[in-house]
Amino acid sequence: KNEVEQSPQNLTAQEGEFITINCSYSVGISALHWLQQHPGGGIVSLFMLSSGKKKHGRLIATINIQEKHSSLHITASHPRDSAVYICAYFNNTDKLIFGTGTRLQVFP
Amino acid sequence: DAGVIQSPRHEVTEMGQEVTLRCKPISGHNSLFWYRQTMMRGLELLIYFNNNVPIDDSGMPEDRFSAKMPNASFSTLKIQPSEPRDSAVYFCASSRRLAGNNEQFFGPGTRLTVL
Repeated sequence: KNEVEQSPQNLTAQEGEFITINCSYSVGISALHWLQQHPGGGIVSLFMLSSGKKKHGRLIATINIQEKHSSLHITASHPRDSAVYICAYFNNTDKLIFGTGTRLQVFP
Repeated sequence: DAGVIQSPRHEVTEMGQEVTLRCKPISGHNSLFWYRQTMMRGLELLIYFNNNVPIDDSGMPEDRFSAKMPNASFSTLKIQPSEPRDSAVYFCASSRRLAGNNEQFFGPGTRLTVL
């Protein structure tokens, strides 16, 4: 069982839809990363958060440390948002433990 | 800032050959990470350095893999001899490693194909 569970694994949406990707983990953590990997392969850091909520453009990330759960929301989704979204947490030796990723496709 | 720089972007080689992947971290960052990504296993940490010192190499698959960081602005990952199962995308990432903020920034990756 992966220490970081993401859902859904695959997600398709129409342009303009509100997207939610969920991440659950099983251990106490201090911070969590949301990463985006485009079809070309590059990995981009979207957020690192340890509490509450962060917003960047149309992206919003929330985390509930007590419930060991984080969500990534995309408002007004666009085809260019199509990518794999990965959540990861830092373990007690500062190593990133990765989820399996959520593959998002947004159609026009 | 140029971000994390990796070279080459693509490498195709024959089994048994030596492969060297290169990484230049973001200036001012003091931690550097080497990852491997495959379809089967996803992203895996191979090794990471703090202040040029290897801290954890438990992810290095076997003795054929070695990594060095001779200074704060350069690191190499070497595979000798290479095997087809080493085919993967290798990412380098760096971070500033301040208390409470270890956000990592990834390079574009090197796609390695071993024939």
